[in-house]
Amino acid sequence: QSALTQPASVSGSPGQSITISCTGTSSDVGSYNLVSWYRQHPGKAPKLIIYEGTKRPSGVSNRFSGSKSGNTASLTISGLQAEDEADYYCCTYAGSNTLVFGTGTKVTVL
Amino acid sequence: QVQLVESGGGVVQPGRSLRLSCVASGFTFSSYGMHWVRQAPGKGLEWVAVIWYDGSEKYYVDSVKGRFTISRDYSKNTVYLQMNSLRAEDTAVYYCARDPFVHGYPNWFDLWGQGTLVTVSS
Repeated sequence: QSALTQPASVSGSPGQSITISCTGTSSDVGSYNLVSWYRQHPGKAPKLIIYEGTKRPSGVSNRFSGSKSGNTASLTISGLQAEDEADYYCCTYAGSNTLVFGTGTKVTVL
Repeated sequence: QVQLVESGGGVVQPGRSLRLSCVASGFTFSSYGMHWVRQAPGKGLEWVAVIWYDGSEKYYVDSVKGRFTISRDYSKNTVYLQMNSLRAEDTAVYYCARDPFVHGYPNWFDLWGQGTLVTVSS
């Protein structure tokens, strides 16, 4: 049950695109199409923004997109906005009916 | 409206017990798996436990096995986390979260509560 690896921080200017990586192993990210992504503003609960690797819940902006290659999943935020400044976490099914989160990435809008 | 509301957090001494509650409303409680997720101060998210939509199965992260128990009461639309033998490292905000269990096992968290803070300190 080791945490998935994310970069500690990513930054970008308004309007730019940024990508956050989420690296696991062949036993978790690589084995299942079940990566989800969450955005968490300071002092708030996390919010689901991507599930099953690429799908967006109703009401989530199409500026958020997900992908996966091998043992690494990615979240891309296009048209970066001030409200996107937050912490982002990936999560995946890790087998044996358990889930594991990524280490988290702080996104800064310059 | 559709929501989860946690309660039961507080300050507790090491070795003591605490029970957290999470009341669900606005959706069919028995159709969803339920989780507890925690976040230590200034740290990342950690999955803690899951209970199946029908209560038939329960699973835990290794660090709480044998100390924490997740359960649910359908008459009260409530999920619980009984925490025994608490340690300083259990200090965190505890969130309950809903899981649609689309694939028949833990998937993702599509609804979160606001969290309740547990502080383990002498």
